[in-house]
Amino acid sequence: QITLKESGPTLVKPTQTLTLTCTFSGFSLSTSGVGVGWIRQPPGKALEWLALIYWNDDKRYSPSLKSRLTITKDTSKNQVVLTMTNMDPVDTATYYCAHRRLMRYFDYWGQGTLVTVSS
Amino acid sequence: QSALTQPASVSGSPGQSITISCTGTSSDVGGYNYVSWYQQHPGKAPKLMIYDVSNRPSGVSNRFSGSKSGNTASLTISGLQAEDEADYYCSSYTSSSTLEVFGTGTKVTVL
Repeated sequence: QITLKESGPTLVKPTQTLTLTCTFSGFSLSTSGVGVGWIRQPPGKALEWLALIYWNDDKRYSPSLKSRLTITKDTSKNQVVLTMTNMDPVDTATYYCAHRRLMRYFDYWGQGTLVTVSS
Repeated sequence: QSALTQPASVSGSPGQSITISCTGTSSDVGGYNYVSWYQQHPGKAPKLMIYDVSNRPSGVSNRFSGSKSGNTASLTISGLQAEDEADYYCSSYTSSSTLEVFGTGTKVTVL
């Protein structure tokens, strides 16, 4: 059974760096074709894809946020970490991590974690 | 990379069928059979409903079906039920460096 869970601060101040951790079970990020992605959703708005990391350490980023994002994996800990620099109130959103299968779709999602950016 | 275009809202009465469109380009929807659809109820995480254009994951009702024609993919919900009221998002593999693009989302209302 595949499960994912996001963890990190619920409140960050403007200009600070956000670090979110996705801890998963039921799969290995060293298995060919497997990836983990981060997706966010501002309150009342649409899903926005942020970043992906694959079993072979291939990393992809949203072009509009690429300069602020870093995604890494720790295969031994079954974790994927997303950092986002220079946080702004517009970055207030629920952040989800999800299992990506065969490089084509997200079949399992975490419950999401709400991050509020405010001074 | 622009988001895929979906209608903002679609509504129907119980028992009816509705179709949600998802329009992209030849670099994403039109170029690959890798369109997926997600259902999201308020306050919940998205749930995969369709993958690879028309495949249903185990446990998803056969009232949900997907198709594609050219640069437009579609999700059809037949026999509409109250529990189908939710937001729906399409997504596609893309040849751009991002490899993934989401749709703008559609709110389905059951009248």
